[in-house]
Amino acid sequence: GQQVMQIPQYQHVQEGEDFTTYCNSSTTLSNIQWYKQRPGGHPVFLIQLVKSGEVKKQKRLTFQFGEAKKNSSLHITATQTTDVGTYFCAGLGETSGSRLTFGEGTQLTVNP
Amino acid sequence: DSGVTQTPKHLITATGQRVTLRCSPRSGDLSVYWYQQSLDQGLQFLIQYYNGEERAKGNILERFSAQQFPDLHSELNLSSLELGDSALYFCASSRLRQGTDTQYFGPGTRLTVL
Repeated sequence: GQQVMQIPQYQHVQEGEDFTTYCNSSTTLSNIQWYKQRPGGHPVFLIQLVKSGEVKKQKRLTFQFGEAKKNSSLHITATQTTDVGTYFCAGLGETSGSRLTFGEGTQLTVNP
Repeated sequence: DSGVTQTPKHLITATGQRVTLRCSPRSGDLSVYWYQQSLDQGLQFLIQYYNGEERAKGNILERFSAQQFPDLHSELNLSSLELGDSALYFCASSRLRQGTDTQYFGPGTRLTVL
């Protein structure tokens, strides 16, 4: 079945440093979504990418979808303590119907 | 607040028991999804219902079952509980049934099996 792998599993940064998490799928995706889960909270939808090579920005967050639609990345510029949490990618396979496959997540901690 | 409600917030029970988790979707949303999140794990898709009908099934154990009622709330039934079933169970809802729909997650139910 479809697998979505995410690295790194953990990332510790100093406030102000940049952060990137990478997501790779075993199969071609029709779209990829990103979610953020704060400690003790629930996943919150951040963004969805659909087109090959698509790049979207939300303030300090930049999301990319690979040309082959099998990988994606989330980059945060100049991290802040409010960025703390676990970032999940979730891929929708071309034959998956409505079933999202989540990556294991990258847990980000930011030291002030 | 996502608008999705889940009850109870916490549940502690013993092995072999049966529990029911409840989810009310956002107003107007027709799809309900159930996910399991074990400690430091990603989200495992269990099952999706759309307007009362089962839409998609993930790696849901035979001991688990779910349904969506006419008022669109959903229940996840877990039976013959084992220690390994201890996890956070999230419900999410979306407007329609496509995988491209944004899913809004509830606060989750933390299940502890002793």
